[in-house]
Amino acid sequence: QVQLVESGGGVVQPGRSLRLSCAASGFTLSSYGMHWVRQAPGKGLEWVAVIFYDESNEYYADSVKGRFTISRDNSKNTLYLQMNSLRAEDTAMYYCAKESLDSSGFYKTLDYWGQGTLVTVSS
Amino acid sequence: DIQMTQSPSSLSASVGDRVTITCRASQSISSYLNWYYQKPGKAPKLLIYAASSLQSGVPSRFSGSGSGTEFTLTISSLQPEDFATYYCQQSYRNVVTFGPGTKVDIK
Repeated sequence: QVQLVESGGGVVQPGRSLRLSCAASGFTLSSYGMHWVRQAPGKGLEWVAVIFYDESNEYYADSVKGRFTISRDNSKNTLYLQMNSLRAEDTAMYYCAKESLDSSGFYKTLDYWGQGTLVTVSS
Repeated sequence: DIQMTQSPSSLSASVGDRVTITCRASQSISSYLNWYYQKPGKAPKLLIYAASSLQSGVPSRFSGSGSGTEFTLTISSLQPEDFATYYCQQSYRNVVTFGPGTKVDIK
């Protein structure tokens, strides 16, 4: 069965860096786009970034553009999020999510999610 | 980026009630609209995709409709396990956006 397990969260000072990992199993990572979505404490979902299945493209939310980098190592079945110049407002639970296309091939969804890893940015 | 809004932001309902949540997009997104629900401390789960298609395993009391800029999620008869927060999400652009959420709690 599909499983996504995030790791790498923790407490970090403002301005420092952190790298999150998402270990995938139960499916072929190289065949799917992958996303990071975050949720600040008590707040709603905020999409962060996507990387295409073939690594041909990456897209970012404006709030993290230029500071965060999404990447993947298909040989290790792992997705990453490198977070630099962290700010207090980056404090959140970070989820990785698998993208899926419906049978028509047009409609994308996030059909499987990990349980999240908590990042706290504080001095 | 495409902005998503939801109404109401919260509602109180009883078991057996019919519940409707509205989602609006800042521009036309055709039917590229998904619905998720989330319980406290848990990851979100996909309910409906392409505006009106039920994800496998989701009970038939859930339905979605709409296209363009206005969409609705309807729960025909609210069950105890449905008390959660519901989010819409557009997949029209590669830059994905979520609505702010609608919290459904017990009256």
